[in-house]
Amino acid sequence: QQQVKQSPQSLIVQKGGISIINCAYENTAFDYFPWYQQFPGKGPALLIAIRPDVSEKKEGRFTISFNKSAKQFSLHIMDSQPGDSATYFCAASKNTGGFKTIFGAGTRLFVKA
Amino acid sequence: GAGVSQSPRYKVAKRGQDVALRCDPISGHVSLFWYQQALGQGPEFLTYFQNEAQLDKSGLPSDRFFAERPEGSVSTLKIQRTQQEDSAVYLCASSLDRVREKLFFGSGTQLSVL
Repeated sequence: QQQVKQSPQSLIVQKGGISIINCAYENTAFDYFPWYQQFPGKGPALLIAIRPDVSEKKEGRFTISFNKSAKQFSLHIMDSQPGDSATYFCAASKNTGGFKTIFGAGTRLFVKA
Repeated sequence: GAGVSQSPRYKVAKRGQDVALRCDPISGHVSLFWYQQALGQGPEFLTYFQNEAQLDKSGLPSDRFFAERPEGSVSTLKIQRTQQEDSAVYLCASSLDRVREKLFFGSGTQLSVL
């Protein structure tokens, strides 16, 4: 059961451009929405996260936009750099009765120099 | 150690063999998770521990999969009679407590079943 749907599957962006990755979720009980970044051979690492009581969160070049009514959220990477080339996963979890994080299928981002 | 440590880094098993994968979480982290990541896919939840208690094992794909965390720190994921479809990266993650959701992942064990 795919509870978190992520798109696109892959993305190529020019250096300095904006990378945008989208996610949609189904379960309205989710109350925490993180984005993880994964480099080859490494485990995912938390990049930025948001709760549904805010519509946007910005940390440096990374911004999450959240639309609760549409059950969608997105990651924007401003001024994309070659070092941002990695796989990005959106995820969702609910803090009731012990929490597990459900991940999207991932987006492979390549930033061209 | 400073992060989550998993061993071995790579494991090759013949079909039908039993394997044991180890996870050393960050010291003091109460919650521990196991995930399975197939090639080109997102991590799929397997099981969750709070201290030594296994609170959720709904993601374990069959009764060949077994996980334990007897003293509330190190955890072992055991797969009996391995099958080719078990080939994947097995990721362990820990978090400070059940309220703070930030997961710290290890680099994983890449299991190949021949």
